[in-house]
Amino acid sequence: EIVLTQSPGTLSLSPGERATLSCRASQSVTRNYLAWYQQRPGQAPRLLISGASSRATGIPDRFSGSGSGTDFTLTITRLEPEDFAVYYCQHYGSSPFTFGQGTKLEIK
Amino acid sequence: QVQLVQSGAEVKKPGASVRVSCKTSGYTFTTYGISWVRQAPGQGLEWMAWISAYNGNRNYAQKVQGRVIMTTDTSTSTAYMELRSLRSDDTAVYYCARAMLVDTALDHWGQGTRVTVSS
Repeated sequence: EIVLTQSPGTLSLSPGERATLSCRASQSVTRNYLAWYQQRPGQAPRLLISGASSRATGIPDRFSGSGSGTDFTLTITRLEPEDFAVYYCQHYGSSPFTFGQGTKLEIK
Repeated sequence: QVQLVQSGAEVKKPGASVRVSCKTSGYTFTTYGISWVRQAPGQGLEWMAWISAYNGNRNYAQKVQGRVIMTTDTSTSTAYMELRSLRSDDTAVYYCARAMLVDTALDHWGQGTRVTVSS
């Protein structure tokens, strides 16, 4: 089973700043099948990025994903108030398709 | 537009079973599969299982294999997940999510169903 470790656990930033979230896998992610999801309080998760770097339909271009193998990054440029939420990475190349523990992005 | 609408909250006793439904619309049901993901109170996301609405193929996380039964009804474009032998640590919000294949990202999610297991 691949273990995904996200860092930091909590990130405190101000609107307009840049956020960099990390996701590290315990072994190489098959075909870079790595997704990022955003979850706002009381809501279901929403797909942001799949295939490590492909934005999902309707996702603003301030969200970008990068990385390969075992190290992946979600970058959010110019934070908007609605971006403050919890972010999860997930690998989906080999079962079980585990999630990271999440990074909480909070307003500073 | 693609929608996944889940059944309402449930309260069950330990040892009982719960069945959650996920009614879909806005796409061809049999072209995709459905994954089930749960989230315990204040915790992260846990992938449980996936079923193909095309051919019924299934894939399970070892943690729940043997206790989860997934079915689909193509006449109503609805997926079902039954969890048996409930324990207190099964208390969670259960989500269904669309995934074309077992190894694709979850691109649309239901609103979640809260299941509480308590004596």
